[in-house]
Formats: sequence, C-alpha cells, structure tokens
Amino acid sequence: DAGVTQSPTHLIKTRGQQVTLRCSPISGHKSVSWYQQVLGQGPQFIFQYYEKEERGRGNFPDRFSARQFPNYSSELNVNALLLGDSALYLCASSLQHGGLYGYTFGSGTRLTVV
Amino acid sequence: AQSVTQLDSQVPVFEEAPVKLRCNYSSSVSVYLFWYVQYPNQGLQLLLKYLSGSTLVKGINGFEAEFNKSQTSFHLRKPSVHISDTAEYFCAAAPDSGTYKYIFGTGTRLKVLA
Repeated sequence: DAGVTQSPTHLIKTRGQQVTLRCSPISGHKSVSWYQQVLGQGPQFIFQYYEKEERGRGNFPDRFSARQFPNYSSELNVNALLLGDSALYLCASSLQHGGLYGYTFGSGTRLTVV
Repeated sequence: AQSVTQLDSQVPVFEEAPVKLRCNYSSSVSVYLFWYVQYPNQGLQLLLKYLSGSTLVKGINGFEAEFNKSQTSFHLRKPSVHISDTAEYFCAAAPDSGTYKYIFGTGTRLKVLA
C-alpha cells in the first residue's frame, strides 16, 4: 500500500514568489495535516483538514493557506515567500479527524527560499 | 500554554548499550503522548503512543516508554540499541481538547557508536 506521498521532494524559490506543495494521503484516510519543520527544530502545526473542511490552524501568517480536494488530497500554498519559510514541509494523514491514534507522515517537501 | 521539552539534543551511546531519551510535557489539560523517529531524509514514523491505561507502553523496534503523570514525563527506553537506531527522535503531545494539533519537542539525535 502506498503511504503518504508528497510532491515535489525538493524546491528552490526566490523571495517574494509563491509555492504550492501537494500531498496524497493514504487511501481511505480523510484527514490531512500540514507541519513545518525548520532545521534543528521539531515540526510545527500549520493546518488540519478533515472531510474537505479546515478543522484547525496553527500560528502562521495568512500567507499560508491550504485546501483539501474531494479525493482527500491536499495542497499547501505559501505566498510572498520569505527566507524564514525555508523548511521541510510535512504532510500527515489519519483515518479520522483527530490524531488520537497517530498520524502517518510523508517524507516531506524541502523548500529552500533564496 | 502547552509545551514539550526534550532536554537532550544529542545522545551518543555504544551499540548494545541501553538508552533513555527524556521527554517532559507541560499542560493544564489531559494529553496524549507519542514518540516518533525520523531517519535522514525521511518523514516521521510512529514508535509508540500513550492514550490511557497501562503507563508502560511498548512500541516497535524494541522501544518502550513510561508515562509518569506526577513528573509529567514520558521517557523513551531501549535495553539494547543497534547501529540502525541512529536517528532523530521526537516526543509529541496532543491535548484531548484538540488531538489533531500535535506539539512536538525539539528532538533528540541518537548516535549509536560501534
């Protein structure tokens, strides 16, 4: 069975540009969450979507947005990129709304802003 | 505010020796606790979780953790480590009021020496 897949795996963008990251959850998983992991830090919660609705938002600026599609895949968009947005962006999926039974994480998209 | 503290940023240990990775949390509400492992250039893999019941939790790859409510700790142990256990280990907490939002510690890099 395929796990959580993310694309692209690596990305280099210039300050001020916009970026879209994609995530396909495990088949049957209806919940997708996004986390940002800055080098040397633990992951920080950005968004959670369940059944195509936003169910939670972390402490990130409005430059960050996301959506979930009918097939439960998801996109994370970041506008007006800053150098500080350079990080590993992780997508995680789970069967139900909460992560009570644990999330399955993808391998991430490494974004470098120059 | 809730937080997770991993006091040791790096832990070197010889192969076949025991290891203990420390995790403390602070929360005014009940939490669920998790340990994840991250191998280089990969996403996070769930090692074990504490939801309720027995305070000693066994996970994959021979790891176990003990929940101590009075000390607000959830330390990870393994009686005998292997070279392949070299990785970054993250402790995470999810409040029962919002289990979708994990709060991660900053991670502990376990280096197993031959």
